[in-house]
Amino acid sequence: GESVGLHLPTLSVQEGDNSIINCAYSNSASDYFIWYKQESGKGPQFIIDIRSNMDKRQGQRVTVLLNKTVKHLSLQIAATQPGDSAVYFCADHTGTASKLTFGTGTRLQVTL
Amino acid sequence: EPEVTQTPSHQVTQMGQEVILRCVPISNHLYFYWYRQILGQKVEFLVSFYNNEISEKSEIFDDQFSVERPDGSNFTLKIRSTKLEDSAMYFCASKGAETSTDTQYFGPGTRLTVL
Repeated sequence: GESVGLHLPTLSVQEGDNSIINCAYSNSASDYFIWYKQESGKGPQFIIDIRSNMDKRQGQRVTVLLNKTVKHLSLQIAATQPGDSAVYFCADHTGTASKLTFGTGTRLQVTL
Repeated sequence: EPEVTQTPSHQVTQMGQEVILRCVPISNHLYFYWYRQILGQKVEFLVSFYNNEISEKSEIFDDQFSVERPDGSNFTLKIRSTKLEDSAMYFCASKGAETSTDTQYFGPGTRLTVL
């Protein structure tokens, strides 16, 4: 079946460097994408979202890029900090009330 | 800032027992969800609830599962006869009715351990 998946299970970056976390999706009908951050023992925390009619959206230190041609989504974190260490999930859905389909997650490790 | 809350944080039960997991969604939200996450795996959708009825459910959500909104603030997930494989983190999420956003906000989760 169609699903959202991640390329890299673990990403290690030095403090201060930029991080890029990637996600591939296969459902061409997906119209909304979200990045969540999950720290150990906690629930997914909303980071940033993007609709399918956009290709870039910026937040505070984070940018999401959407390439619908190749069905690819990425999360860029500028000046990565130790507090950014967590597992990052991309998720997508279609329609207003429908379920989110989560990817497998990428663990981001920030080294000092 | 409003947030989704869940109780208990950890529930231990014997196989075959019934459990009820409780959630208080964000107060003005109208869409409610349950997801689960088995240790080390991705978050999986269980059920969505809107206007006092289930709007969508996954294959996981079989006859052993039920949801209820007993009053204006609580949203519960009941597992009638727990199995070992029900051990997981269960997350509640809610979403507002605004058409400008589809963001689902998650609670901290309940860790269910079935012995």
